[in-house]
Amino acid sequence: AQSVTQLGSHVSVSEGALVLLRCNYSSSVPPYLFWYVQYPNQGLQLLLKYTTGATLVKGINGFEAEFKKSETSFHLTKPSAHMSDAAEYFCAVSDGRGSTLGRLYFGRGTQLTVWP
Amino acid sequence: DTGVSQNPRHKITKRGQNVTFRCDPISEHNRLYWYRQTLGQGPEFLTYFQNEAQLEKSRLLSDRFSAERPKGSFSTLEIQRTEQGDSAMYLCASSPGQPSTDTQYFGPGTRLTVL
Repeated sequence: AQSVTQLGSHVSVSEGALVLLRCNYSSSVPPYLFWYVQYPNQGLQLLLKYTTGATLVKGINGFEAEFKKSETSFHLTKPSAHMSDAAEYFCAVSDGRGSTLGRLYFGRGTQLTVWP
Repeated sequence: DTGVSQNPRHKITKRGQNVTFRCDPISEHNRLYWYRQTLGQGPEFLTYFQNEAQLEKSRLLSDRFSAERPKGSFSTLEIQRTEQGDSAMYLCASSPGQPSTDTQYFGPGTRLTVL
């Protein structure tokens, strides 16, 4: 069965500092992995996704994530935080390759605070 | 492409009342998902439609919950005899193609408060 663990429900960084949000997954099949961001009173917006191919995935707003199979991790990073990055971030894994369902299994989320 | 829309955005109801939410997916997206998000948690899968067919239901979806997508376009989620534990954000998402790899586009959600 698929599951996601996000380490750290709250992360605080200064503007311009490195952002690192951690995600570990469990999957019985080769995983498809996603990061979504949720701003207050808005729906979830896809930042990036990994399906196959290159393990370093670049997304919107300068974010990237690296799929590490040996560590079952998909951590999200951004070299320099901006005030507008303050939001809640969710890591998710899907049913995986060959599935006809495609439901997402989400972690509990990490609230990112950016200090000026 | 106006995105996924959900109505109402907020609903306050008394315990025991019935409520219905609507989701309008992105046009021509044939896959539609419902999720529920409670405070401090990530979204949890409720049910999935491919066109008008409901193909999967989570165990979270008790007999008081019913979802429809009558013409393969918009969908409704009804909760009968609401309970305080039903208070949550109900999210709808749609996607166009291959289920596991396609991006799911989420609506803004309907926040339900049961008094």
